[in-house]
Amino acid sequence: SQQGEEDPQALSIQEGENATMNCSYKTSINNLQWYRQNSGRGLVHLILIRSNEREKHSGRLRVTLDTSKKSSSLLITASRAADTASYFCATDPSGGYNKLIFGAGTRLAVHP
Amino acid sequence: NAGVTQTPKFRVLKTGQSMTLLCAQDMNHEYMYWYRQDPGMGLRLIHYSVGEGTTAKGEVPDGYNVSRLKKQNFLLGLESAAPSQTSVYFCASREVGGKETQYFGPGTRLLVL
Repeated sequence: SQQGEEDPQALSIQEGENATMNCSYKTSINNLQWYRQNSGRGLVHLILIRSNEREKHSGRLRVTLDTSKKSSSLLITASRAADTASYFCATDPSGGYNKLIFGAGTRLAVHP
Repeated sequence: NAGVTQTPKFRVLKTGQSMTLLCAQDMNHEYMYWYRQDPGMGLRLIHYSVGEGTTAKGEVPDGYNVSRLKKQNFLLGLESAAPSQTSVYFCASREVGGKETQYFGPGTRLLVL
């Protein structure tokens, strides 16, 4: 069963706009990670936020985590056509070995 | 560094045939993972290994076997392929301690007829 549920399933925006993706999960976690997948390629790690953190930034990325609501959001600011990809949240449940549980992903299309 | 590589890139099998997918990493990572990705879904963990000579079951292990005879290689075997195993298979690795992130290979696309 998948722990992470992502919303929306698909998002279409214009270059320069911000993109926000949400992720909800069910059980306690050690950390939550966001990955990006370009069409037909492997996943690339974007950012990790630990369970005791509330917000984290990396370049144009901003991630928030609300453990009381078991939810996270990924904000991409000033989007570019090159940001077009699928974005997945993955939870690392407490218990070790980093057995990530992935959501179904959000397909982002950024139009020039 | 090549990172994580997977062979083959694409394969077509007939129902009942067997095959082995190879994953290799040159980062000296202890942990390795096999996932499958089906259309419209996220990745699901098949098996994983926390070190040479060790393997463990993930979320969807049925119909698959794995071996980790060398630290840098993680093999995924299908003994008798079924159409339900049509999927894209991804291998990943991570170091112990340090960054808790996984590094992914480019994937193997498998079609079982």
